[in-house]
Amino acid sequence: SQQGEEDPQALSIQEGENATMNCSYKTSINNLQWYRQNSGRGLVHLILIRSNEREKHSGRLRVTLDTSKKSSSLLITASRAADTASYFCATDATGAGANSKLTFGKGITLSVRP
Amino acid sequence: SQTIHQWPATLVQPVGSPLSLECTVEGTSNPNLYWYRQAAGRGLQLLFYSVGIGQISSEVPQNLSASRPQDRQFILSSKKLLLSDSGFYLCAWKGRANEKLFFGSGTQLSVL
Repeated sequence: SQQGEEDPQALSIQEGENATMNCSYKTSINNLQWYRQNSGRGLVHLILIRSNEREKHSGRLRVTLDTSKKSSSLLITASRAADTASYFCATDATGAGANSKLTFGKGITLSVRP
Repeated sequence: SQTIHQWPATLVQPVGSPLSLECTVEGTSNPNLYWYRQAAGRGLQLLFYSVGIGQISSEVPQNLSASRPQDRQFILSSKKLLLSDSGFYLCAWKGRANEKLFFGSGTQLSVL
């Protein structure tokens, strides 16, 4: 079963606007990660936030984590048409190690209109 | 640098036929290896993962099996495909000391 649930399922914005995507999860985690998938391709890692962190930045990406609410958000600032893709949150209960495995949500489809 | 190869990119198979999808990783040793399936609108479902040669963990009961005959080779198989096996199959790897996954480009399987 899915651990992470993203919200909204689909998001359409104008180029230059900010895109905010949310993820909720159910059980304790070691870290939470966001991935991007272009249509018909594999997923690409975007950013990781650990359970003891509240906010991280990477270029135009900002991710927050609220472990008390079991939720995370991904903000993409100044969006571009090339940001059009599906975005997934994934939770890792164990972190690095032999038995580490990620559980993915259903994903958010982001469309950025030129 | 590390790379992951997954093939074929697309596959159309009749119901009842066998399946073999292969994934290989280069540039690293002793990786964790994973097979995920992505059905439309359902996100990624973890099918199998492996922490070493011959070590396979199955996450869901199904018509598929996995094998790891070599350190950097992961194979997904079926003896007889079902219609419900259709989907987008993704292989991924991660290093033991890392947390993030690196994905292959996927195989779109259509069972007709």
